[in-house]
Amino acid sequence: DQQVKQNSPSLSVQEGRISILNCDYTNSMFDYFLWYKKYPAEGPTFLISISSIKDKNEDGRFTVFLNKSAKHLSLHIVPSQPGDSAVYFCAARDDYKLSFGAGTTVTVRA
Amino acid sequence: GAGVSQTPSNKVTEKGKYVELRCDPISGHTALYWYRQSLGQGPEFLIYFQGTGAADDSGLPNDRFFAVRPEGSVSTLKIQRTERGDSAVYLCASSTSGGPGHTGELFFGEGSRLTVL
Repeated sequence: DQQVKQNSPSLSVQEGRISILNCDYTNSMFDYFLWYKKYPAEGPTFLISISSIKDKNEDGRFTVFLNKSAKHLSLHIVPSQPGDSAVYFCAARDDYKLSFGAGTTVTVRA
Repeated sequence: GAGVSQTPSNKVTEKGKYVELRCDPISGHTALYWYRQSLGQGPEFLIYFQGTGAADDSGLPNDRFFAVRPEGSVSTLKIQRTERGDSAVYLCASSTSGGPGHTGELFFGEGSRLTVL
C-alpha cells in the first residue's frame, strides 16, 4: 500500500528553465512533507520541507507547494542547473516515520 | 566524521549465509532508522530505534531480519539465511528526535549495497 506516489519516473529540462516535480499522497495524517535529493552511490540528502499547515515554502531556487485538499505537493526548481541532475524523492511524515515515493530522475541539459 | 557512517559499503554473499550491516549515527542523535531501497524504488522503512529500544520494527519483512542498538549509538542490522530477494541498498539514518514537533528531517548514510548470489 504505497501512501506516497511520484508518477513521473523521469524529467528532462534545459538549463535555466524551471523543473517541476510532482507528488501525491493518500494518508491525511501526514504532518510534514520533505524532498530529498540523491546522487549515485550516495545517501539521500535533505532539500526542503513544508508543514501541513502551510501551502508554500521557499528556499533559494527551491519552492515546495502543498495542496492539502488535493493531497498533492510539488517541487519547483528555478532556474535549473546542471548540478541539479539527480534523483528526487518526495517523503511524508506520520509521527516519527517517513514514507517515500519511488523517485523522479531529473536530467538538466546544457 | 560528522555524518552517518555505514559499513561495509558493499557486501556480496551467497544464498543462505548470515550478514551483518553496521551503522554509526551522528553523535548525539537519539533516533536511528533502517531503510531498504530496491532498484527503481524509494527507501522502504524497516525499523526505528529511540535510544536503545526498537520503538517500531513493523517494517522488517520477516524473522530473518533483526537489528540491535545496545548502547544507544551504533546499530547492527542482521540478516540470517540470506535470499536473493534481500539484495538491495540498506540505508541507515539518524535524527535528533523522532517525536512530535520534529520536522522529520533524517540524515542518511551512503548505504550498504548487499548482493546475494
